[in-house]
Amino acid sequence: GAVVSQHPSWVICKSGTSVKIECRSLDFQATTMFWYRQFPKQSLMLMATSNEGSKATYEQGVEKDKFLINHASLTLSTLTVTSAHPEDSSFYICSARSPPTSGIETQYFGPGTRLLVL
Amino acid sequence: RKEVEQDPGPFNVPEGATVAFNCTYSNSASQSFFWYRQDCRKEPKLLMSVYSSGNEDGRFTAQLNRASQYISLLIRDSKLSDSATYLCVVNKAGTYKYIFGTGTRLKVLA
Repeated sequence: GAVVSQHPSWVICKSGTSVKIECRSLDFQATTMFWYRQFPKQSLMLMATSNEGSKATYEQGVEKDKFLINHASLTLSTLTVTSAHPEDSSFYICSARSPPTSGIETQYFGPGTRLLVL
Repeated sequence: RKEVEQDPGPFNVPEGATVAFNCTYSNSASQSFFWYRQDCRKEPKLLMSVYSSGNEDGRFTAQLNRASQYISLLIRDSKLSDSATYLCVVNKAGTYKYIFGTGTRLKVLA
């Protein structure tokens, strides 16, 4: 399957700092990437859709000024958690929408980034 | 009602057993359905897409019942390595966005 990388895999930071997470599609171009968040024992929740060359679209309840998304190229999207607080501690996972196979488009997920804000 | 619902389990089964999971979705306009597998503290990995006619991949069989709005996953001859959380995923109608169920935990016991 397609390969998506994320960096860093782990971040521990102090409250108030900003954290940048990168998501790259390694072997295909992705005009659309998605950012999810997963809290312990809960499901993945979509935060925003990242569109190459245009503004990201955010899900209801997600602050766009707190979670800045930049999709600068067809293989890279970044999520910046600004002024992180302990309640932002979570598992952040990106996915990239792949070209359709047998008429079905699927999403391939990066390995995730664990953020711990102290 | 949740958009995608799954029994969280856990399902504890012996090696070699057959186990089935169901998932229901609320929006009849959804068009794409998937089963993903997620291991502890890892990202979800695509197990299989679910087609209207049903589809099989080795020991795994997926079925879609549009009339009743549910999807099923059958695992035959369970292996220890099948232990994971199985996520039912449905697209948000009219979009490419995914809606995830909370997942069903499976433990295959030796």
